[in-house]
Amino acid sequence: RKEVEQDPGPFNVPEGATVAFNCTYSNSASQSFFWYRQDCRKEPKLLMSVYSSGNEDGRFTAQLNRASQYISLLIRDSKLSDSATYLCVVNMWYGGSQGNLIFGKGTKLSVKP
Amino acid sequence: SAVISQKPSRDICQRGTSLTIQCQVDSQVTMMFWYRQQPGQSLTLIATANQGSEATYESGFVIDKFPISRPNLTFSTLTVSNMSPEDSSIYLCSVGARDQPQHFGDGTRLSIL
Repeated sequence: RKEVEQDPGPFNVPEGATVAFNCTYSNSASQSFFWYRQDCRKEPKLLMSVYSSGNEDGRFTAQLNRASQYISLLIRDSKLSDSATYLCVVNMWYGGSQGNLIFGKGTKLSVKP
Repeated sequence: SAVISQKPSRDICQRGTSLTIQCQVDSQVTMMFWYRQQPGQSLTLIATANQGSEATYESGFVIDKFPISRPNLTFSTLTVSNMSPEDSSIYLCSVGARDQPQHFGDGTRLSIL
């Protein structure tokens, strides 16, 4: 099983649609979870951290299910400017020691007019 | 968040040559990280650079191929040595921590002929 796995997409949705991305991770000891956004030919930028209780930032909602080792990102009322690749990022722990951030390959979103 | 500048932003190099990438941060930071993002792939950590100590390399990356300097708390360099076409990639520096969000420079796009 890959350390961080995402559906690569692409997700092609119309403006105003609601879209959800999923991510699974292999390391049950992981403590920190993030969603990043990467525009074409640009660096990744932090979209939001993911907290145990779930958290919301405007149109974006992140959820964490530790039992299933699963993270989700929900985007409501999609805008053209939401078109990007969304990266799931998880901090790994190995043998009781904190490891590094592991990046998923990303899910590509294309919002059409 | 910190402003992180990378130089050069892009380069085209001949195989067998070396290129040094610079990463400048506008504030003092303890940890700096160097990543590689090959076409269509996720970010892979090359090494962690702490000021005053040797860089810590991840599996599959060695100092002879990717020497790193960290002369102070605001600057680091990554050299890609004896380049081959397989080294064509985007190289990114970031600042932050292993279990906290990291913020990235705008990347160096490297092509090897």
